[in-house]
Amino acid sequence: DTAVSQTPKYLVTQMGNDKSIKCEQNLGHDTMYWYKQDSKKFLKIMFSYNNKELIINETVPNRFSPKSPDKAHLNLHINSLELGDSAVYFCASSHGQGARQAFFGQGTRLTVV
Amino acid sequence: GIQVEQSPPDLILQEGANSTLRCNFSDSVNNLQWFHQNPWGQLINLFYIPSGTKQNGRLSATTVATERYSLLYISSSQTTDSGVYFCAVVRSNYQLIWGAGTKLIIKP
Repeated sequence: DTAVSQTPKYLVTQMGNDKSIKCEQNLGHDTMYWYKQDSKKFLKIMFSYNNKELIINETVPNRFSPKSPDKAHLNLHINSLELGDSAVYFCASSHGQGARQAFFGQGTRLTVV
Repeated sequence: GIQVEQSPPDLILQEGANSTLRCNFSDSVNNLQWFHQNPWGQLINLFYIPSGTKQNGRLSATTVATERYSLLYISSSQTTDSGVYFCAVVRSNYQLIWGAGTKLIIKP
C-alpha cells in the first residue's frame, strides 16, 4: 500500500491552463504539505495543513490554491499556468507537531509548454 | 531563520567505497531527517534521527544535537546509491527546512 500517493505522476500542459494535482495519505496523519522542487533540486515548502486548516502559506502566487476536503487529502490547484511553474511538486504528510517523521509522495513532474 | 548546510555538494566514488555526508544546522531542532532522492526523482525517507545513532543495512546516521550536526555514512557503496541526499530539520512548527543536498555518483 502506498502511504502517500500523488496523481498524476507527470503532467504536461500549455500556458494559461488550469490544472490540479491530487494527494492522498493513508497513514492517519493530521498534517499534510506541498513542496516545490526547482531545477536546482532545492525543496521549498508552499503550504501546510493541519486537521484541514491552513497553517503554513509561504509566498506563492495566488494562482496556487490548496484544498483539503479531509485530513487524508490535500489537493493543489493551479490557475493560469506559467512557464516558471514547471517543477516537481511533492506532497507529504506527518503526524503531530514539529518532531515527527514526514513521508513523501512520489512527486508530480509538471511541465508547462 | 535556521540554516541547513550540507557537505560536500558533490561526491563521486567507485563502487565499494565508503562515504560520509555531513549536515550542519544553525540552531536547535526538534527533528532531523535524511532523504535519498533517486535518479528517477523519488524522495525516500532514510532516517528520522533528532539525536543518537541509527543503522539500516549499509547506511547509518548519527546526530549530535548539542553540536548541531548530523552525519550519514554509506558503506560499500553500490551504483543504486547514486542520487541526491538531503538533510531536513524541523523547529517548533510544521515546516521542514531543507539543505541543498549532496549529489552522489557511484561509478561501477
